[in-house]
Amino acid sequence: EIVLTQSPATLSLSPGERATLSCRASQSVSSHLAWYQQKPGQAPRLLIYDASNRATGIPARFSGSGSGTDFTLTISSLEPEDFAVYYCQQRGNWLLTFGPGTKVDIK
Amino acid sequence: EVQLVESGGGLVQPGGSLRLSCAASGFTFSNFWMHWVRQVPGKGLVWVSRLNNDGSSPSYADSVKGRFTISRDNAKNTLYLEMNSLRAEDTALYYCAREIGCIGGNCYPEYFQHWGQGTLVTVSS
Repeated sequence: EIVLTQSPATLSLSPGERATLSCRASQSVSSHLAWYQQKPGQAPRLLIYDASNRATGIPARFSGSGSGTDFTLTISSLEPEDFAVYYCQQRGNWLLTFGPGTKVDIK
Repeated sequence: EVQLVESGGGLVQPGGSLRLSCAASGFTFSNFWMHWVRQVPGKGLVWVSRLNNDGSSPSYADSVKGRFTISRDNAKNTLYLEMNSLRAEDTALYYCAREIGCIGGNCYPEYFQHWGQGTLVTVSS
């Protein structure tokens, strides 16, 4: 099983600031990594797939990068609606796994 | 508009069974892989099972293998999850999710583009 580790666990920032979230895989997943956003009481929303491709309808302030074992989700300038939990997910092998999440909260 | 509506959750005793359903609309159901993902309230996401578009190739997480069965009825646009020998640790909100599909000649069956709102399964005596 490929284990995903996300850091930090919590990121406290103000609107307008840049957010940088990290996801590390226990073995290479090539570029096969996605990012999701989840708000309380809601289902997750796909943001980024295959490391750097924005999903349909996702604003340009969200970007993804990385390959192999190290990946980053960047939110260039936080909007009020971006405060949420963010999960990474790999499809590097048949057993799909998620990271534990990073909570982005308001400072 | 893509819609996924789960049903069938509830309270069940340890060792019991439940059958979850996911009714799909707004897209050609038979063209897409489908998944079940669960989440203990307040905790993280866990992939449970997937099924390819024609139902011929299911896969399961180790934690549910041998106890859960995923299936689909493409004529009824419905995905199912038969859950047997339920344990307390199966307690969670169960989401059904649809893959992205194919974009520009590349296919992405194992990312979750669309999600339902979930159905809660509680295993307790």
